[in-house]
Amino acid sequence: DQQVKQNSPSLSVQEGRISILNCDYTNSMFDYFLWYKKYPAEGPTFLISISSIKDKNEDGRFTVFLNKSAKHLSLHIVPSQPGDSAVYFCAASEVGNQFYFGTGTSLTVIP
Amino acid sequence: DADVTQTPRNRITKTGKRIMLECSQTKGHDRMYWYRQDPGLGLRLIYYSFDVKDINKGEISDGYSVSRQAQAKFSLSLESAIPNQTALYFCATSDLTRQGQFFGPGTRLTVL
Repeated sequence: DQQVKQNSPSLSVQEGRISILNCDYTNSMFDYFLWYKKYPAEGPTFLISISSIKDKNEDGRFTVFLNKSAKHLSLHIVPSQPGDSAVYFCAASEVGNQFYFGTGTSLTVIP
Repeated sequence: DADVTQTPRNRITKTGKRIMLECSQTKGHDRMYWYRQDPGLGLRLIYYSFDVKDINKGEISDGYSVSRQAQAKFSLSLESAIPNQTALYFCATSDLTRQGQFFGPGTRLTVL
């Protein structure tokens, strides 16, 4: 059973607007969460992470929010740019264990 | 030069053949991983290794084996390939911290 879920396979956003990508998890022992970005014909690249002791982490245009009670995290991209068009994966782990990945959301930023 | 390299990048083979996918890294990381990506299923962990003498099964290890020849090299073998092993395979590395993993460019494997 999928422990990390991304229920939206795709998302389209106008350039300059906010992109919000969502991720849900089922394992309450997960304490570290990451987002990766993947372009076609390339491997995923690390984007941003958050520890369960925080509820927000920001890095430039990218902000990750964590709601532990809802077992939900989201990635906000503001403002969205055409170069942000890619597949985004969320991942989660508990201490000492492997990372579990979601199924990915394909983001298209329309110029 | 790329930090994590995978060979081959593409491979077409037949059912029953033995296949080896190779991964090399220049990042100096101790931890290495093999994942497969399938449409609608995301990335799933096959095997991982935290150092040269350490090998661990992931979610979907059946039908696969690995060898950690050196800190920098981690290979994945399919002893007898079957069509449902057709997928995109990624190698990744990480250091001792829980920062993000560094992925190779992937190997597209097709088993006919």
